[in-house]
Amino acid sequence: SQQGEEDPQALSIQEGENATMNCSYKTSINNLQWYRQNSGRGLVHLILIRSNEREKHSGRLRVTLDTSKKSSSLLITASRAADTASYFCATDLGGANNLFFGTGTRLTVIP
Amino acid sequence: SQTIHQWPATLVQPVGSPLSLECTVEGTSNPNLYWYRQAAGRGLQLLFYSVGIGQISSEVPQNLSASRPQDRQFILSSKKLLLSDSGFYLCAWSAYRVGTGELFFGEGSRLTVL
Repeated sequence: SQQGEEDPQALSIQEGENATMNCSYKTSINNLQWYRQNSGRGLVHLILIRSNEREKHSGRLRVTLDTSKKSSSLLITASRAADTASYFCATDLGGANNLFFGTGTRLTVIP
Repeated sequence: SQTIHQWPATLVQPVGSPLSLECTVEGTSNPNLYWYRQAAGRGLQLLFYSVGIGQISSEVPQNLSASRPQDRQFILSSKKLLLSDSGFYLCAWSAYRVGTGELFFGEGSRLTVL
């Protein structure tokens, strides 16, 4: 499968702690993206990291990309209850139809 | 700013009935448009994408069809629904001309086929 695979499938942490989610993929990519989905809602784009980038920050989010290991991680620092959601990685292979989503990590942040 | 509207939000339909889900994008021209389906607790499966009016590409053989009658309108249809068509359908658009780039999603349509 060309889809990314997130690990862990589910993660439960206390408010204020950091949350780390990992994504592994199998093929060469143009870029890798992370999305967030609140229950029953559409996905929201969080961050895009290109294949020639190793790290990117956006607010409390930090994404790393290791193309040699075909893996990426999403770190959410100082988590809040409002961060409770599912997080998906998506690999962009470079074509108009080549964005492949993983099955997601379900994050629960306990107040 | 760009917005995407998708409706209806919830739909309960009997097996064998027709389906029409509609998606419109505002604030941009010539977007790439996508229909995804998400099964419960699963990732997204690309069903159709379109790079222009009347240009539809299908990713998986299925009971569904898509049309793009206008630049910013994307419609998902079926003549006769199957139980297996139940799911959460998401429309999305992208401004990228090379690669998919960032996708902007609608709020989704939950279809239950009984």
